[in-house]
Amino acid sequence: GALVYQYPRRTICKSGTSMRMECQAVGFQATSVAWYRQSPQKTFELIALSTVNSAIKYEQNFTQEKFPISHPNLSFSSMTVLNAYLEDRGLYLCGARVRGRDTQYFGPGTRLLVL
Amino acid sequence: QQQVRQSPQSLTVWEGETAILNCSYEDSTFNYFPWYQQFPGEGPALLISISSVSDKKEDGRFTIFFNKREKKLSLHITDSQPGDSATYFCAASWGTGNYKYVFGAGTRLKVIA
Repeated sequence: GALVYQYPRRTICKSGTSMRMECQAVGFQATSVAWYRQSPQKTFELIALSTVNSAIKYEQNFTQEKFPISHPNLSFSSMTVLNAYLEDRGLYLCGARVRGRDTQYFGPGTRLLVL
Repeated sequence: QQQVRQSPQSLTVWEGETAILNCSYEDSTFNYFPWYQQFPGEGPALLISISSVSDKKEDGRFTIFFNKREKKLSLHITDSQPGDSATYFCAASWGTGNYKYVFGAGTRLKVIA
């Protein structure tokens, strides 16, 4: 079956520092990867959508300068939260999707705490 | 503007009862609707989904009823079990070619034994 791993599961960083999180698809080829942030106040916020062989598309209020994403192959994606502050706290979810199918499979998330 | 709305925000049922979770949407061009189940500390797991060409989808104890005209759908969980206690998210997308999902705020279900 389709599995999506995320690493780390939980991380704490100091305000103003950066942290990188990874997403690994196992058992299928993730032709598109969507990164979301889940917070109690805003449910799932789509940060950006990365499709292999296409430009990464960021949603309003999210930028490449703040959340650079790498999607080098069909099984791996990473995203960095640069210069993290309190408002960046939340559970960052990676949703991977197979070409031609509507279903998006999520990883367990990376919980970011900012001190 | 909230494109996908869920109600109730929280729901408590007794074990064995049917839990009904509601979802409505704004954009009539949405054509794929997955429901995700999320337990505390975990990522959302796909539970069941339906496309706009169907009005009902059943998978074991979970059934989606879809009303395209009213832009509403509901998830029915029959014979609810304590292990079903979780938050359920309704999502909507425009289907293949547009990979963006729009999520509702979720319904927190508690099943009491």
